[in-house]
Amino acid sequence: QKEVEQNSGPLSVPEGAIASLNCTYSDRGSQSFFWYRQYSGKSPELIMFIYSNGDKEDGRFTAQLNKASQYVSLLIRDSQPSDSATYLCAGPSISGGYNKLIFGAGTRLAVHP
Amino acid sequence: NAGVTQTPKFQVLKTGQSMTLQCAQDMNHNSMYWYRQDPGMGLRLIYYSASEGTTDKGEVPNGYNVSRLNKREFSLRLESAAPSQTSVYFCASREAGREGYTFGSGTRLTVV
Repeated sequence: QKEVEQNSGPLSVPEGAIASLNCTYSDRGSQSFFWYRQYSGKSPELIMFIYSNGDKEDGRFTAQLNKASQYVSLLIRDSQPSDSATYLCAGPSISGGYNKLIFGAGTRLAVHP
Repeated sequence: NAGVTQTPKFQVLKTGQSMTLQCAQDMNHNSMYWYRQDPGMGLRLIYYSASEGTTDKGEVPNGYNVSRLNKREFSLRLESAAPSQTSVYFCASREAGREGYTFGSGTRLTVV
């Protein structure tokens, strides 16, 4: 089992809708997770991180961490075509912690007008 | 303030050739990383350096070597390139006490 798993998508949503991106992880001891956004041909960019159970909101983005069920999600409200990108979930590895950040394969999001 | 700078941006190699990918950061970060990204595979860690003078293997180290030249620079060397090493390579760095990584713009490598 991979340490961090994501559905590769594509996830297609209309402009103005809520996009929901999900990620599951295998290490019950993991304390925090990260969401990176990657535009085509560009490098990953950190957009959200969450350290505790529950929700964390930043503008149109909400990250949710559910330790009991071992999943992390990212909600994007009022989706815009500029949100179209691949979203990567990442967490510390079992063997190396934050020195071996493990990334999911990424979910491609397409927001259509 | 350039952040993380990688060179070259593009490279084509023939099988068996060697080359070194360069990475430098100007943020005084302690930790540096090399990842490769392949379609459908996400980012996979090749090697990392938790601090100047130390290096450790990641998930996919075979066929690569690294050098942490100083606190700023972390290079990745392919001694004998193989077509399986065709990929996009990203260098990243991390500030001590923080967990988020800052990535360079990447090197697109093709081995023919």
